[in-house]
Amino acid sequence: DVKVTQSSRYLVKRTGEKVFLECVQDMDHENMFWYRQDPGLGLRLIYFSYDVKMKEKGDIPEGYSVSREKKERFSLILESASTNQTSMYLCASSPQGGIRMNTEAFFGQGTRLTVV
Amino acid sequence: GENVEQHPSTLSVQEGDSAVIKCTYSDSASNYFPWYKQELGKRPQLIIDIRSNVGEKKDQRIAVTLNKTAKHFSLHITETQPEDSAVYFCAASSGAGSYQLTFGKGTKLSVIP
Repeated sequence: DVKVTQSSRYLVKRTGEKVFLECVQDMDHENMFWYRQDPGLGLRLIYFSYDVKMKEKGDIPEGYSVSREKKERFSLILESASTNQTSMYLCASSPQGGIRMNTEAFFGQGTRLTVV
Repeated sequence: GENVEQHPSTLSVQEGDSAVIKCTYSDSASNYFPWYKQELGKRPQLIIDIRSNVGEKKDQRIAVTLNKTAKHFSLHITETQPEDSAVYFCAASSGAGSYQLTFGKGTKLSVIP
């Protein structure tokens, strides 16, 4: 059974703080993703990584960075948290599946971040 | 980049009726179209997916159809049950080394007993 685990379910941080959201998967997946979920806006991709130390910007990367030092771990970093980054953050992973072949993405349980 | 539009945003049906959710996409190179179900307080989970070389796929009460010419795909749920109540997301991806899934904004389905 695939497990994608996010380090916190709920987090409250102050404006200007540096925030780390951690995600670990145990299925040796090549691809990992960070999304944020807001009511009425669906799931929007922040960053993704298809290999260790590789990262690609998604649709809304501003204000965020990521780190992937090990295959199983993908961290999302808010360099200086702001109130408009209050949201649900979802991590996901998927196997590579080969060229031209996308595969199922498995999601973590989400981290609800509140920036005050 | 890819843009996925999803309609309706909310849908209420009586138990036993059918529900249809529609999505359109913009990138003609997209070739993978999954549907995710998210129950309240839970993580999204894949319920069905379709690839561009297939026009229709069925799994028990759930079916997905794809029209590549018109760039739209739909989710059909028959004989709805209260446990089908959830938010459903469609998504599209172009493959070919691009692993980026673009999601629609979601449809909140309520099945009334």
